[in-house]
Amino acid sequence: GEDVEQSLFLSVREGDSSVINCTYTDSSSTYLYWYKQEPGAGLQLLTYIFSNMDMKQDQRLTVLLNKKDKHLSLRIADTQTGDSAIYFCAPGGSARQLTFGSGTQLTVLP
Amino acid sequence: SQTIHQWPATLVQPVGSPLSLECTVEGTSNPNLYWYRQAAGRGLQLLFYSVGIGQISSEVPQNLSASRPQDRQFILSSKKLLLSDSGFYLCAWSGTLDSSLHFGNGTRLTVT
Repeated sequence: GEDVEQSLFLSVREGDSSVINCTYTDSSSTYLYWYKQEPGAGLQLLTYIFSNMDMKQDQRLTVLLNKKDKHLSLRIADTQTGDSAIYFCAPGGSARQLTFGSGTQLTVLP
Repeated sequence: SQTIHQWPATLVQPVGSPLSLECTVEGTSNPNLYWYRQAAGRGLQLLFYSVGIGQISSEVPQNLSASRPQDRQFILSSKKLLLSDSGFYLCAWSGTLDSSLHFGNGTRLTVT
């Protein structure tokens, strides 16, 4: 099966950019998603990228995909305290096939 | 717009007691439905998914079962809870032509 790896923790200063990284093993993943989970809540779909794209920008979010290295990243510009949460990378070919990483806990320091 | 409701939000149950968690989806027809468990280590494990009424696929052998009595209702059950059943349970749905998952707010289950 698919293995998805993420760093467990990331701390940034408010106003700086955050970069959350993810590596995966299944090169046939068609969709690659980023989810956000706030304390005690479910996962919220943030953004996604198709496997035939290298980059996708959505307001403060930029997703970069390096298919050769099977590396996905999420950049959050001008990080705010409200961005503090756990971020999950989830590649897959269908909803049932999505594999979630362990999540990266982003802490935004004032 | 589509919404997903999951309840209760928190539950404390003794070992050996039964369990019933309910999830309903509004604003869509014939969704695919899912139950996930999120352990303390944060990873999500797919427990069950369903593509239609009465159609349940189990991803891992366990003490739990799922049922789908109506198109937009998904229930997670157990006859006798174990300590190891403690965790955060998430219901999710996807469209039949959609690969993205949409999650409920989860149920925190503590088995004592």
